[in-house]
Amino acid sequence: NAGVMQNPRHLVRRRGQEARLRCSPMKGHSHVYWYRQLPEEGLKFMVYLQKENIIDESGMPKERFSAEFPKEGPSILRIQQVVRGDSAAYFCASSRGQGAGGEQFFGPGTRLTVL
Amino acid sequence: QKEVEQDPGPLSVPEGAIVSLNCTYSNSAFQYFMWYRQYSRKGPELLMYTYSSGNKEDGRFTAQVDKSSKYISLFIRDSQPSDSATYLCAILTGGGNKLTFGTGTQLKVEL
Repeated sequence: NAGVMQNPRHLVRRRGQEARLRCSPMKGHSHVYWYRQLPEEGLKFMVYLQKENIIDESGMPKERFSAEFPKEGPSILRIQQVVRGDSAAYFCASSRGQGAGGEQFFGPGTRLTVL
Repeated sequence: QKEVEQDPGPLSVPEGAIVSLNCTYSNSAFQYFMWYRQYSRKGPELLMYTYSSGNKEDGRFTAQVDKSSKYISLFIRDSQPSDSATYLCAILTGGGNKLTFGTGTQLKVEL
């Protein structure tokens, strides 16, 4: 039973390029969450999605960041015109349900480096 | 004021020691408290979660919540080198749909 899968594991971009991070949830999970872990900081919530819907994007920066979870395929976190401050580890989690009944399982993360 | 505060450590203990990891939180309405373990360059994995107050035990691990002082703790008995990792406390917030994490405590268990 495969866990949460994320790719790529490592991504290097130059300033101004676009970064696309992919997340395939665990089988049977329809809830996806994205978190960011900056150096010396804890994990910070970014966005919560269900299939084709953004439920809570209160942690997403207002500009350049977007997320989707289409009916078919993985969830995508997209960062346009990356800057050095976007360098971080981005983790995706998935759950079967929501709230306390929905334990969030984390993927291995994508480490984004912006040159 | 941060919603969750955690001493970042690092914390170094000898093998076999009892480890105490702690967090404080700000909102007395929080009900669900989690402890995650994160090995270097890996994703967090859920160790334990507790609801409201009280203790929960799982093998060598005990999670404790004191709602009166807004304090949560994780105790590790008979610590092993394999316990060396970063331990993150987390609270379920945002209507139950997002986790708010402490900054993590880095633990090293030495032979």
